[in-house]
Amino acid sequence: DTGVSQDPRHKITKRGQNVTFRCDPISEHNRLYWYRQTLGQGPEFLTYFQNEAQLEKSRLLSDRFSAERPKGSFSTLEIQRTEQGDSAMYLCASTSAGTGDSPLHFGNGTRLTVT
Amino acid sequence: SQQGEEDPQALSIQEGENATMNCSYKTSINNLQWYRQNSGRGLVHLILIRSNEREKHSGRLRVTLDTSKKSSSLLITASRAADTASYFCATEENDMRFGAGTRLTVKP
Repeated sequence: DTGVSQDPRHKITKRGQNVTFRCDPISEHNRLYWYRQTLGQGPEFLTYFQNEAQLEKSRLLSDRFSAERPKGSFSTLEIQRTEQGDSAMYLCASTSAGTGDSPLHFGNGTRLTVT
Repeated sequence: SQQGEEDPQALSIQEGENATMNCSYKTSINNLQWYRQNSGRGLVHLILIRSNEREKHSGRLRVTLDTSKKSSSLLITASRAADTASYFCATEENDMRFGAGTRLTVKP
């Protein structure tokens, strides 16, 4: 168990550019979550997957955001036409849903800075 | 909408004192989970309490659950400077949504 890994750790981009983040969950975990967190706030739910199916997407998530989990393993989060308000920490977490009491395991996040 | 709402928003204590933070939720739950986050890092799971449990201990952590009031509390006893972090609660019933957390500062 190597934990949840996120790549890159930091990303600086110019406004209007597209960015893509990757999350590799713990291998046997079937559920994967994405969150966004700004300074002093709690993690804001963005979306989650059960295997490869995207089951829920926050209404706060604009159509510039898209997430995929093509084979039910790793996931990508893409932000198109980035805006300065997208600057935040993007967190990924995974868990074994449906197996009883299984907590979330978080990665250390990707910090995005939009200039 | 957020499910877990923690209070207070901030708490500052001296090393050795106990810290208590609370969580309120809105729907029926199967379990409630507490997490800790150090600055710039991901969240780390601390403890899970099931809906049929009223109290649970793990080291210096004590969690209580009152399903009639839809609330939980996390007590950290004999706090240490290393306990300085933000603490969050969450439930599965609202897709693991988190509140703003309680920012705990333990002064040495």
